[in-house]
Amino acid sequence: EVQLVESGGGLVQPGRSMKLSCAASGFTFSNYGMAWVRQAPTKGLEWVATISYDGSSTYYRDSVKGRFTISRDNAKSTLYLQMNSLRSEDTATYYCTTGSSFDYWGQGVMVTVSS
Amino acid sequence: DIVMTQGVLPNPVPSGESASITCRSSKSLVYKDGKTYLNWFLQRPGQSPQLLTYWMSTRASGVSDRFSGSGSGTYFTLKISRVRAEDAGVYYCQQVREYPLTFGSGTKLEIK
Repeated sequence: EVQLVESGGGLVQPGRSMKLSCAASGFTFSNYGMAWVRQAPTKGLEWVATISYDGSSTYYRDSVKGRFTISRDNAKSTLYLQMNSLRSEDTATYYCTTGSSFDYWGQGVMVTVSS
Repeated sequence: DIVMTQGVLPNPVPSGESASITCRSSKSLVYKDGKTYLNWFLQRPGQSPQLLTYWMSTRASGVSDRFSGSGSGTYFTLKISRVRAEDAGVYYCQQVREYPLTFGSGTKLEIK
């Protein structure tokens, strides 16, 4: 059974950093591109970043470019999102998903940026 | 960026009836391989999104054949036949033709 389990969320002050993790199981992680998608409270879905299966290519939405870094450790079957210089508008539930097909999603992790 | 614009449903939809959700893209989603890079998702209340269809009309694994996607390069429809209570939620279209990937704003389906 495919499982994606996000962790690392919580409350953080504006300007600070936070790192999200997504532990994958039930499929060959190293064969799949992966992505992060977020959803602000009561809002729609917003793509954040994608990484290729081997980590050689990454893509970001403009609003997070230079602040967020997507990465992966294929040996640990884990996806990461390093978020720096956080802003109130980054407050959202962050979902980990199989990035080229979007057919599997984690349960999401809440990130609240507030003083 | 490609803008995705979704239509509104005349809610609620009676159980057993059909519902069609529309989505329009600001640019053709047809790639040089001939495929149309358009996904449909359902997000039920309190749940993660679920992929329904990809390449505009291919149903994802385990998805009921009551869901069918169709369209052209810039105008798309998700038809739900014989709606059931479990179909309630917000439906999103997403283009994966080019980066940045973009979603529509969502279409809410309520069942009567």
